[in-house]
Amino acid sequence: GQNIDQPTEMTATEGAIVQINCTYQTSGFNGLFWYQQHAGEAPTFLSYNVLDGLEEKGRFSSFLSRSKGYSYLLLKELQMKDSASYLCAVIWGGGKSTFGDGTTLTVKP
Amino acid sequence: EPEVTQTPSHQVTQMGQEVILRCVPISNHLYFYWYRQILGQKVEFLVSFYNNEISEKSEIFDDQFSVERPDGSNFTLKIRSTKLEDSAMYFCASKTTGDTQYFGPGTRLTVL
Repeated sequence: GQNIDQPTEMTATEGAIVQINCTYQTSGFNGLFWYQQHAGEAPTFLSYNVLDGLEEKGRFSSFLSRSKGYSYLLLKELQMKDSASYLCAVIWGGGKSTFGDGTTLTVKP
Repeated sequence: EPEVTQTPSHQVTQMGQEVILRCVPISNHLYFYWYRQILGQKVEFLVSFYNNEISEKSEIFDDQFSVERPDGSNFTLKIRSTKLEDSAMYFCASKTTGDTQYFGPGTRLTVL
Protein backbone atom coordinates (compact mmCIF):
# COMPACT_ATOMS: atom_id res chain seq x y z
CA GLY A 1 0.00 0.00 0.00
CA GLN A 2 0.89 3.64 0.06
CA ASN A 3 0.05 4.44 3.66
CA ILE A 4 1.38 7.63 5.10
CA ASP A 5 1.09 7.96 8.85
CA GLN A 6 1.23 11.10 10.94
CA PRO A 7 0.14 11.82 14.50
CA THR A 8 -3.39 13.20 14.54
CA GLU A 9 -2.79 16.04 16.97
CA MET A 10 0.07 17.78 18.74
CA THR A 11 0.24 20.64 21.19
CA ALA A 12 3.22 22.88 21.84
CA THR A 13 4.04 26.14 23.57
CA GLU A 14 4.77 29.45 21.88
CA GLY A 15 8.53 29.87 21.43
CA ALA A 16 9.22 26.16 21.66
CA ILE A 17 10.39 23.64 19.04
CA VAL A 18 8.12 20.88 17.75
CA GLN A 19 8.86 17.89 15.53
CA ILE A 20 6.07 16.36 13.44
CA ASN A 21 6.85 12.87 12.20
CA CYS A 22 5.70 11.14 9.04
CA THR A 23 6.24 7.48 8.26
CA TYR A 24 5.34 5.84 4.99
CA GLN A 25 5.12 2.39 3.47
CA THR A 26 5.92 3.09 -0.14
CA SER A 27 8.95 3.46 -2.38
CA GLY A 28 10.11 4.71 -5.73
CA PHE A 29 8.72 8.18 -5.23
CA ASN A 30 10.42 11.34 -6.45
CA GLY A 31 10.22 13.31 -3.24
CA LEU A 32 8.33 14.19 -0.11
CA PHE A 33 6.46 17.43 0.53
CA TRP A 34 5.34 19.18 3.68
CA TYR A 35 2.41 21.58 3.47
CA GLN A 36 0.68 23.83 5.98
CA GLN A 37 -3.10 24.09 5.88
CA HIS A 38 -5.13 26.48 7.98
CA ALA A 39 -8.76 25.54 8.53
CA GLY A 40 -10.88 26.31 5.50
CA GLU A 41 -7.90 27.28 3.38
CA ALA A 42 -5.73 25.70 0.69
CA PRO A 43 -2.46 23.92 1.50
CA THR A 44 0.64 26.07 1.22
CA PHE A 45 4.05 24.67 0.38
CA LEU A 46 6.60 24.46 3.19
CA SER A 47 9.37 22.14 1.99
CA TYR A 48 10.36 19.40 -0.43
CA ASN A 49 12.94 16.67 0.16
CA VAL A 50 14.35 14.58 -2.66
CA LEU A 51 17.58 13.36 -1.12
CA ASP A 52 18.09 12.03 2.37
CA GLY A 53 19.03 14.69 4.87
CA LEU A 54 17.90 17.98 6.25
CA GLU A 55 16.46 20.90 4.29
CA GLU A 56 16.34 24.16 6.23
CA LYS A 57 14.12 27.14 5.42
CA GLY A 58 14.10 29.73 8.15
CA ARG A 59 12.06 28.48 11.12
CA PHE A 60 11.09 25.33 9.25
CA SER A 61 13.30 22.31 8.52
CA SER A 62 12.43 18.96 7.01
CA PHE A 63 14.31 15.70 7.12
CA LEU A 64 14.01 12.59 4.96
CA SER A 65 15.41 9.08 5.39
CA ARG A 66 14.33 6.83 2.54
CA SER A 67 15.97 3.77 4.06
CA LYS A 68 13.94 4.22 7.25
CA GLY A 69 10.72 5.31 5.53
CA TYR A 70 10.62 8.39 7.67
CA SER A 71 10.43 12.15 7.48
CA TYR A 72 9.92 14.91 9.98
CA LEU A 73 9.09 18.60 9.96
CA LEU A 74 10.78 20.70 12.59
CA LEU A 75 9.26 24.04 13.56
CA LYS A 76 11.37 26.37 15.69
CA GLU A 77 10.42 29.48 17.67
CA LEU A 78 6.76 28.57 17.48
CA GLN A 79 4.28 31.37 16.96
CA MET A 80 0.53 31.35 17.56
CA LYS A 81 -0.03 31.63 13.80
CA ASP A 82 1.70 28.24 13.37
CA SER A 83 -1.46 26.60 14.71
CA ALA A 84 -2.60 24.67 11.63
CA SER A 85 -2.63 21.24 10.05
CA TYR A 86 0.65 19.96 8.62
CA LEU A 87 0.42 17.59 5.70
CA CYS A 88 3.04 15.09 4.59
CA ALA A 89 2.81 13.92 0.96
CA VAL A 90 4.88 11.83 -1.41
CA ILE A 91 4.96 12.51 -5.14
CA TRP A 92 5.84 10.30 -8.10
CA GLY A 93 7.24 11.19 -11.49
CA GLY A 94 3.97 11.74 -13.33
CA GLY A 95 2.74 14.11 -10.65
CA LYS A 96 0.59 11.64 -8.75
CA SER A 97 0.79 12.21 -5.00
CA THR A 98 -0.43 10.61 -1.80
CA PHE A 99 -1.13 12.68 1.30
CA GLY A 100 -1.19 11.76 4.94
CA ASP A 101 -4.19 12.63 7.08
CA GLY A 102 -2.34 15.62 8.48
CA THR A 103 -1.27 16.60 11.98
CA THR A 104 -3.23 19.34 13.72
CA LEU A 105 -0.82 21.48 15.71
CA THR A 106 -2.11 23.73 18.46
CA VAL A 107 0.28 26.37 19.76
CA LYS A 108 -0.54 27.61 23.25
CA PRO A 109 0.71 30.80 24.91
CA GLU B 1 2.54 38.12 -6.50
CA PRO B 2 0.80 35.87 -9.06
CA GLU B 3 -1.85 33.53 -7.67
CA VAL B 4 -3.91 30.58 -8.81
CA THR B 5 -7.57 31.58 -8.90
CA GLN B 6 -10.64 29.36 -8.85
CA THR B 7 -14.29 30.02 -9.58
CA PRO B 8 -16.84 29.72 -8.19
CA SER B 9 -15.85 29.72 -4.53
CA HIS B 10 -18.96 27.69 -3.71
CA GLN B 11 -21.09 25.61 -6.08
CA VAL B 12 -24.34 23.97 -5.06
CA THR B 13 -25.86 21.45 -7.45
CA GLN B 14 -28.44 18.71 -7.58
CA MET B 15 -27.39 15.08 -7.76
CA GLY B 16 -27.06 13.97 -11.37
CA GLN B 17 -26.24 17.43 -12.70
CA GLU B 18 -23.04 18.34 -14.50
CA VAL B 19 -20.66 20.85 -12.95
CA ILE B 20 -17.60 22.61 -14.30
CA LEU B 21 -15.05 23.94 -11.86
CA ARG B 22 -12.75 26.58 -13.25
CA CYS B 23 -9.16 27.41 -12.47
CA VAL B 24 -6.78 30.02 -13.81
CA PRO B 25 -3.24 28.80 -13.10
CA ILE B 26 -0.27 31.14 -12.78
CA SER B 27 0.52 32.34 -16.28
CA ASN B 28 3.97 30.84 -16.92
CA HIS B 29 3.19 27.51 -15.24
CA LEU B 30 3.25 24.31 -17.25
CA TYR B 31 1.96 21.60 -14.92
CA PHE B 32 -1.58 21.55 -13.60
CA TYR B 33 -3.33 19.49 -10.93
CA TRP B 34 -6.71 18.89 -9.38
CA TYR B 35 -7.15 17.65 -5.81
CA ARG B 36 -10.17 17.15 -3.63
CA GLN B 37 -10.64 17.22 0.11
CA ILE B 38 -13.80 15.85 1.65
CA LEU B 39 -14.64 17.74 4.83
CA GLY B 40 -12.48 16.51 7.70
CA GLN B 41 -10.49 14.14 5.50
CA LYS B 42 -7.15 14.09 3.73
CA VAL B 43 -6.25 15.84 0.50
CA GLU B 44 -6.61 13.41 -2.41
CA PHE B 45 -4.88 13.65 -5.78
CA LEU B 46 -7.24 13.50 -8.76
CA VAL B 47 -5.24 14.28 -11.89
CA SER B 48 -2.09 15.87 -13.27
CA PHE B 49 -1.95 17.56 -16.67
CA TYR B 50 0.98 18.62 -18.83
CA ASN B 51 1.41 19.51 -22.47
CA ASN B 52 -2.34 19.33 -23.07
CA GLU B 53 -2.76 15.82 -21.84
CA ILE B 54 -3.30 13.90 -18.63
CA SER B 55 -0.02 12.71 -17.08
CA GLU B 56 -1.46 10.72 -14.21
CA LYS B 57 -4.86 10.12 -12.68
CA SER B 58 -6.03 8.46 -9.50
CA GLU B 59 -8.62 5.75 -8.99
CA ILE B 60 -11.08 8.47 -8.01
CA PHE B 61 -10.80 10.08 -11.46
CA ASP B 62 -13.21 7.77 -13.26
CA ASP B 63 -15.22 8.31 -16.44
CA GLN B 64 -17.40 10.87 -14.68
CA PHE B 65 -14.46 13.26 -14.50
CA SER B 66 -12.68 15.11 -17.26
CA VAL B 67 -10.22 17.98 -17.49
CA GLU B 68 -9.62 20.49 -20.20
CA ARG B 69 -7.40 23.44 -20.96
CA PRO B 70 -9.72 25.19 -23.40
CA ASP B 71 -7.47 28.20 -23.93
CA GLY B 72 -4.14 29.53 -22.76
CA SER B 73 -5.36 30.50 -19.33
CA ASN B 74 -8.15 28.28 -18.00
CA PHE B 75 -7.97 24.74 -16.63
CA THR B 76 -11.31 23.10 -15.93
CA LEU B 77 -12.59 20.04 -14.08
CA LYS B 78 -15.93 18.64 -15.24
CA ILE B 79 -18.00 16.18 -13.29
CA ARG B 80 -20.60 14.76 -15.64
CA SER B 81 -23.24 13.42 -13.27
CA THR B 82 -22.62 14.47 -9.70
CA LYS B 83 -23.16 12.16 -6.76
CA LEU B 84 -23.65 13.03 -3.11
CA GLU B 85 -20.15 11.73 -2.35
CA ASP B 86 -18.63 14.26 -4.76
CA SER B 87 -19.32 16.95 -2.16
CA ALA B 88 -15.88 18.24 -1.24
CA MET B 89 -13.42 21.09 -1.58
CA TYR B 90 -11.71 20.96 -4.97
CA PHE B 91 -8.28 22.53 -5.24
CA CYS B 92 -6.44 23.37 -8.43
CA ALA B 93 -2.64 23.71 -8.33
CA SER B 94 0.03 24.64 -10.83
CA LYS B 95 3.78 24.76 -11.08
CA THR B 96 6.67 25.49 -13.38
CA THR B 97 9.46 22.95 -13.85
CA GLY B 98 10.40 23.42 -10.18
CA ASP B 99 9.04 21.47 -7.26
CA THR B 100 6.66 23.93 -5.63
CA GLN B 101 3.00 23.56 -6.42
CA TYR B 102 0.86 26.64 -5.85
CA PHE B 103 -2.67 25.89 -4.75
CA GLY B 104 -5.73 27.92 -5.54
CA PRO B 105 -8.20 28.84 -2.79
CA GLY B 106 -10.54 26.00 -3.73
CA THR B 107 -14.14 25.53 -4.81
CA ARG B 108 -16.52 24.06 -2.28
CA LEU B 109 -18.89 21.73 -4.13
CA THR B 110 -22.10 20.75 -2.39
CA VAL B 111 -24.24 18.07 -4.05
CA LEU B 112 -27.82 17.88 -2.79
